[in-house]
Amino acid sequence: AQSVTQLGSHVSVSEGALVLLRCNYSSSVPPYLFWYVQYPNQGLQLLLKYTTGATLVKGINGFEAEFKKSETSFHLTKPSAHMSDAAEYFCAVSERDSSYKLIFGSGTRLLVRP
Amino acid sequence: DADVTQTPRNRITKTGKRIMLECSQTKGHDRMYWYRQDPGLGLRLIYYSFDVKDINKGEISDGYSVSRQAQAKFSLSLESAIPNQTALYFCATSETGGDQETQYFGPGTRLLVL
Repeated sequence: AQSVTQLGSHVSVSEGALVLLRCNYSSSVPPYLFWYVQYPNQGLQLLLKYTTGATLVKGINGFEAEFKKSETSFHLTKPSAHMSDAAEYFCAVSERDSSYKLIFGSGTRLLVRP
Repeated sequence: DADVTQTPRNRITKTGKRIMLECSQTKGHDRMYWYRQDPGLGLRLIYYSFDVKDINKGEISDGYSVSRQAQAKFSLSLESAIPNQTALYFCATSETGGDQETQYFGPGTRLLVL
């Protein structure tokens, strides 16, 4: 069965520093790949997704992610962290079938230090 | 107004009680999903529905039931609540065709079972 691994349940960075959140998936067939963000007391909001085409995907709020098939990875980055980026981030995948069911990683809480 | 709404937002109930969580959407999407979120586990799929007459079990459906009363409404019921059903519950929607890979989430219902 498909699984998603997010390394690090908590990541702490200084404001202005690079943000790197890691995500690996288990499928040998590349699935659809997503990053969602959850701000406190809110639902999940789509940051970006990869379905096909260019492997470097740009999302909202300056985030981007790169799909690397050889590494089965889809890591999320942002060059310069802002205090408003503090949230929980979820990597998710769905199989390339008609169900589009999402399988989520366990989440990474990003803390941004002033 | 929010496109995906959930009621109630917070609920406290006792073991053995029947409880219903409701989800409504104005996005015109045909697909709807229920997830639960537990700390350190990410989100897990409980049930999903592709239209009013098509309901499917997800990863963790035991102890839950659902009803798709209309295209815009999808309810989740706990027939006899137990403490390990304490969690944050999310409803999500997506559309067949178009941007079908993307799910849009409601704000969540926080449920505490005593």
